[in-house]
Amino acid sequence: EAQVTQNPRYLITVTGKKLTVTCSQNMNHEYMSWYRQDPGLGLRQIYYSMNVEVTDKGDVPEGYKVSRKEKRNFPLILESPSPNQTSLYFCASSLNLWLATNEKLFFGSGTQLSVL
Amino acid sequence: GDSVTQMEGPVTLSEEAFLTINCTYTATGYPSLFWYVQYPGEGLQLLLKATKADDKGSNKGFEATYRKETTSFHLEKGSVQVSDSAVYFCALSDGGGATNKLIFGTGTLLAVQP
Repeated sequence: EAQVTQNPRYLITVTGKKLTVTCSQNMNHEYMSWYRQDPGLGLRQIYYSMNVEVTDKGDVPEGYKVSRKEKRNFPLILESPSPNQTSLYFCASSLNLWLATNEKLFFGSGTQLSVL
Repeated sequence: GDSVTQMEGPVTLSEEAFLTINCTYTATGYPSLFWYVQYPGEGLQLLLKATKADDKGSNKGFEATYRKETTSFHLEKGSVQVSDSAVYFCALSDGGGATNKLIFGTGTLLAVQP
């Protein structure tokens, strides 16, 4: 089954403790992206990747890192989480940028992160 | 910059009622427009799209028409069901040009009561 898989589904952590949220897709997609969803603000893009070893900042990249060493995986890394990073995070992918912005993005089920 | 404005929710309707969720946009070019739906506990799914003026996107009884003159892409459904309860996001893109992403509205929560 074609899907975008995020883990974990829920995560509670404390300020400053490094964490990684994993994202994997099995559709051989080149384009992958991370969004955060906050009430009243909708979805905002954190980082995106056009292909392996090609990543770029979105609208709200501060406090986050990403890597794209393999096509299927696009982990989101919070080196020193803070309470303002408490949010619902979504990973998304598409075959390429053109399809992502003209056809469809495939979304994971989300990761609810709470930073205490 | 480009942006999307959606009506604030929640929208509460009885089953079989008519639904309209307003969406207007600001864009410098000729964007593609989308409605995504997020069911409880799930990720977003594409509901429908339109890529040029006067196009009508439709899916699962939902419709939206790309109106360039009013810069709008309102979502409508003639008769909602309890299973339509979800958060609906309007979004735009410039088709892979300068923005390299979809720009989402804030989302509108729809609650349909039996």
